[in-house]
Amino acid sequence: AQKVTQAQTEISVVEKEDVTLDCVYETRDTTYYLFWYKQPPSGELVFLIRRNSFDEQNEISGRYSWNFQKSTSSFNFTITASQVVDSAVYFCALSEATDSARQLTFGSGTQLTVLP
Amino acid sequence: EAGVTQFPSHSVIEKGQTVTLRCDPISGHDNLYWYRRVMGKEIKFLLHFVKESKQDESGMPNNRFLAERTGGTYSTLKVQPAELEDSGVYFCASSQERPGWDTGELFFGEGSRLTVL
Repeated sequence: AQKVTQAQTEISVVEKEDVTLDCVYETRDTTYYLFWYKQPPSGELVFLIRRNSFDEQNEISGRYSWNFQKSTSSFNFTITASQVVDSAVYFCALSEATDSARQLTFGSGTQLTVLP
Repeated sequence: EAGVTQFPSHSVIEKGQTVTLRCDPISGHDNLYWYRRVMGKEIKFLLHFVKESKQDESGMPNNRFLAERTGGTYSTLKVQPAELEDSGVYFCASSQERPGWDTGELFFGEGSRLTVL
């Protein structure tokens, strides 16, 4: 069965620091999708990125970057020069291709607090 | 374009009572999902509709939970009777395609927080 582990329950950083959120996954499928979602205080889950298992290229989007490493089953998320508005709960998730419903398996989330 | 909307945003009920949560997906999205996050744990899948049909309800915890999507538009999730362990945040999500290679981004609502006393 698939599993996503976010070992960091809470992280606090001071504004402008870089921070990396860890995500480790388990799956027996060779084809799968990895996601990151952000949950700001308003409550909704905001999609950040989707990556399929055949694309190991790292991705950068502004201050956000993602490091996908199949060898260690990790999909880590780095925020560079963090800002107070980055404070939120961040969820990593996995979806297996063999699952017809494409349901997402989420990690337990990492609460990031960026202090001014 | 309106996003996924959920109602109510917060419901406080007593054990044994009934609560109905509603989700309005993005117009035109055939796929509708219910997820929930209990007690700060991981968000867990409950079920998946394609139009009005239940495609997968393997995540529904027990028969106290009933989900419907009549007409393939909005969906309701009824909990009857509610128990203390049902407290949590219930998320609804919709997508046009099922999440896949380059399609099927899931759009989530703000969630309905349920507190059972």
